[in-house]
Amino acid sequence: SFDLTQPPSVSVSPGQTARITCSSDALSRQYTYWFQQKPGQAPVLVIYKDTERPSGIPERFSGSSSGTTVTLTISGVQAEDEADYYCQSADNSATYVFGTGTKVTVL
Amino acid sequence: QVQLLQSGAEVKKAGASVKVSCHVSGNTLTELSILWVRQAPGKGLEWVGHVEAENGEAIYAQKFQGRVTMTEDTSTDTAYMELSSLRSEDTAIYYCATRTAYNAFDLWGQGTMVTVSS
Repeated sequence: SFDLTQPPSVSVSPGQTARITCSSDALSRQYTYWFQQKPGQAPVLVIYKDTERPSGIPERFSGSSSGTTVTLTISGVQAEDEADYYCQSADNSATYVFGTGTKVTVL
Repeated sequence: QVQLLQSGAEVKKAGASVKVSCHVSGNTLTELSILWVRQAPGKGLEWVGHVEAENGEAIYAQKFQGRVTMTEDTSTDTAYMELSSLRSEDTAIYYCATRTAYNAFDLWGQGTMVTVSS
């Protein structure tokens, strides 16, 4: 198994850009997925396969990958984007791992 | 439109077992892989295990090996996650999820709160 490391928190003003990183040596070989979770709700998929955005997710959400670090970027942050964000990946033996989670606060 | 409906909250004594269900509507269970994830109060998401649609194989997180069993009843399109020898640290919301598109877990159940009391 492996660990996915995220910063515990990110604070951003409305309209600014939030960047959340997820790091592991395993990410150079596997896809990463990002989930948004608001209090009292189930997680919602916002990015899949590193950079793809599901239907219905605003364009301000984007993903990128560089070596062992993947990044979720929220451009033009809105108050409704305040939530916890988790990255997720898997290894070759179909073991799934979630990142430690990042709380995004909109100031 | 696929939906996942989970069973209601459970309160169990330490040492007991709990069985959480996840009913699939809008598709048949045999077509879907089912993921189980839990979240302790104030904590992050934790993978418990999953059942692959391709071969029905259950893969469990090493942490839960020997205590968790994931089964499926295809006649009712219901997936089950049973956790035994419960301890207070198992108090959490348990979610099921599945892939409907994008080869990613994009559909989640509403969650089932399991409380373990000593």
